[in-house]
Amino acid sequence: KNEVEQSPQNLTAQEGEFITINCSYSVGISALHWLQQHPGGGIVSLFMLSSGKKKHGRLIATINIQEKHSSLHITASHPRDSAVYICAVRFNAGGTSYGKLTFGQGTILTVHP
Amino acid sequence: SQTIHQWPATLVQPVGSPLSLECTVEGTSNPNLYWYRQAAGRGLQLLFYSVGIGQISSEVPQNLSASRPQDRQFILSSKKLLLSDSGFYLCAWIAGADTQYFGPGTRLTVL
Repeated sequence: KNEVEQSPQNLTAQEGEFITINCSYSVGISALHWLQQHPGGGIVSLFMLSSGKKKHGRLIATINIQEKHSSLHITASHPRDSAVYICAVRFNAGGTSYGKLTFGQGTILTVHP
Repeated sequence: SQTIHQWPATLVQPVGSPLSLECTVEGTSNPNLYWYRQAAGRGLQLLFYSVGIGQISSEVPQNLSASRPQDRQFILSSKKLLLSDSGFYLCAWIAGADTQYFGPGTRLTVL
């Protein structure tokens, strides 16, 4: 069964703290996405990874294909980082996958000033 | 530039009423389009996807249907809403491995 597990489910931090959110998946993938969902519901794509590491501002995403694991890091966290962070993967399914994503349950991050 | 529009943004409907949610995309042709739903306290779940006009694939059995009447238009419908249809509905367009766009979403409450 193709599954995506995120941890922790809830995360509370003080402004300035370094934050890590983890994502594990069950079988081989062709791509992994990190998404950010704000309270209004809108979703923004932060990163797409198929290997290695990507950095954008204070956000860093890494993936270990062999271990089937990815992490999203936020350095110097700020209250505006408060949101739900979602890991989504595209499992290897040959030519029929059509880019379908399987989503983790999300991590609710709250950063206090 | 590529953009996804969804409407309405919010909707409150009585049980048994019909539903029509619309998604349109700009800045591309022949996109692969997706409808996702996020029920309260749960993760996003794929409902339908379409690779072209008139081509619809359903991922889960449900009370909803989808249609693709035009290349850049994707519609989610129901003849009779159920309480369990409440949730946040997202339209998405995936253009290749690197590009993922989400619409602003529609929050549906069925009373």
